[in-house]
Amino acid sequence: EVQLVESGGGLVQPGGSLRLSCAASGSTFSTYWMSWVRQAPGKGLEWVATTNQDGDVKHYVDSVKGRFTISRDNAKNSLYLEMNSLRAEDTAIYYCARDYFVGTTFYHDYWGQGTRVTVSS
Amino acid sequence: EIVMTQSPATLSVSPGESATLSCRASQSIGSNLAWYQQKPGQAPRLLIYAASTRATGIPARFSGSGSGTEFTLAISSLQSEDFAVYYCQRYNNWPPITFGQGTRLEIK
Repeated sequence: EVQLVESGGGLVQPGGSLRLSCAASGSTFSTYWMSWVRQAPGKGLEWVATTNQDGDVKHYVDSVKGRFTISRDNAKNSLYLEMNSLRAEDTAIYYCARDYFVGTTFYHDYWGQGTRVTVSS
Repeated sequence: EIVMTQSPATLSVSPGESATLSCRASQSIGSNLAWYQQKPGQAPRLLIYAASTRATGIPARFSGSGSGTEFTLAISSLQSEDFAVYYCQRYNNWPPITFGQGTRLEIK
C-alpha cells in the first residue's frame, strides 16, 4: 500500500523559512514524479511544485518561484519543499502527492494527509 | 493562462438521486482533465483521469465525460459517502497545473 507522510509544518513568522518533508513507502519512489499541492483555509486546491524522478526537472507555480525549492532524496524515499521568504498567503495545508505521468496524461494518484503551515506574526 | 470554472458552487441532492457537476476550461484542453473528491478533513482522492477513465477502485456510479472545453462528472444513485467537494484539474501543456474552484455536493 502506498503511503505518503508529510511533516515539518508549523507556525512561522512572515519572511521566515520552513522545510517540509514527505516520506514515501509502498512503491518504488524513484520511478515516480512527485508534487506538492496546497490548500489555504476554507479554499480550493492549488498546485505548488512538481519534480521528475531524478529531481533535475522542477516546475513551480508563479507565486512561489524564487522562494520555494522542491527536491528529493531517492535513497531515503523522501520528497522535500524548502520554503523561504514566507508570506501570510502561503498559509495552507501542504499535501505531498505521487504523480502518474505518461505521454500527455498526468494526475496525482496518491496523496498524503498533509501538513499545516501557518505564516503569522 | 487557462482558467477552470466549476458549476454550480454548491449542489443539493437527495441520497439515491443523481448529480451532474460541470467544469469548463477557458480554452481547449483536449481530454487532459482529472476529477478529485475531497471529504472534510481528508486529502483529495483521484476519481477520474483523461476526462472519462475511472481510477482504480472507483465505483461505476462515477462517470466522467467531455472534451475540449466542457466536462461533466456524473454520479448516479448518490450514497451518503459521496457528499463531498469535487475538483476538476487540467494538465494539458503544463506547467502550470490548475484546479477548478470546486463544487460542494451536499445532502438535500
